[in-house]
Amino acid sequence: KQEVTQIPAALSVPEGENLVLNCSFTDSAIYNLQWFRQDPGKGLTSLLLIQSSQREQTSGRLNASLDKSSGRSTLYIAASQPGDSATYLCAVSSNSGYALNFGKGTSLLVTP
Amino acid sequence: DTAVSQTPKYLVTQMGNDKSIKCEQNLGHDTMYWYKQDSKKFLKIMFSYNNKELIINETVPNRFSPKSPDKAHLNLHINSLELGDSAVYFCASSQDPPMGTNEKLFFGSGTQLSVL
Repeated sequence: KQEVTQIPAALSVPEGENLVLNCSFTDSAIYNLQWFRQDPGKGLTSLLLIQSSQREQTSGRLNASLDKSSGRSTLYIAASQPGDSATYLCAVSSNSGYALNFGKGTSLLVTP
Repeated sequence: DTAVSQTPKYLVTQMGNDKSIKCEQNLGHDTMYWYKQDSKKFLKIMFSYNNKELIINETVPNRFSPKSPDKAHLNLHINSLELGDSAVYFCASSQDPPMGTNEKLFFGSGTQLSVL
């Protein structure tokens, strides 16, 4: 059974800092890995998707890496801003391929 | 225009009642999902439909019954509601299942269900 773990559970940083969120998964037989952002009272927004054959994806100040063999992914946020405050969730495709297995998320607070 | 819309946003009801949550996507996607987010914020798949056919039913009680009248809609009916059903329910869609090469999921804004 695929298990996804995210560390840390919560993180508070001052504006401008670069930060790294970690995600690990137990079964390396994945199709892809996605990072999502969830704002309070709202749905999830997909930030980055890394296919199993890829090593990283970048979008603006966000960079996600994938090391499938070791079951790890990191989300790097450069020059953090208060608007980045949200919960970030990591998800990997399940063995069936028809669902995502989510971690519990990292709650990020960026203070001005 | 909202890509994945679900109604209602909030649902407060008594134990034992039957309720429905509606979901519609205007993205032309073939696959739709229902996810449940519990009080600990853990998000878990409930159902997955591809072209109106049930693909995944993840050990969800029979009281929960999804219905897909067409590819753009996946409604969730819940019978005999229990206290433990209180959670946020999210609808989502993608063009193909997550096994696809580049299939991002698009989520609705969620329905917060409170069973009293």
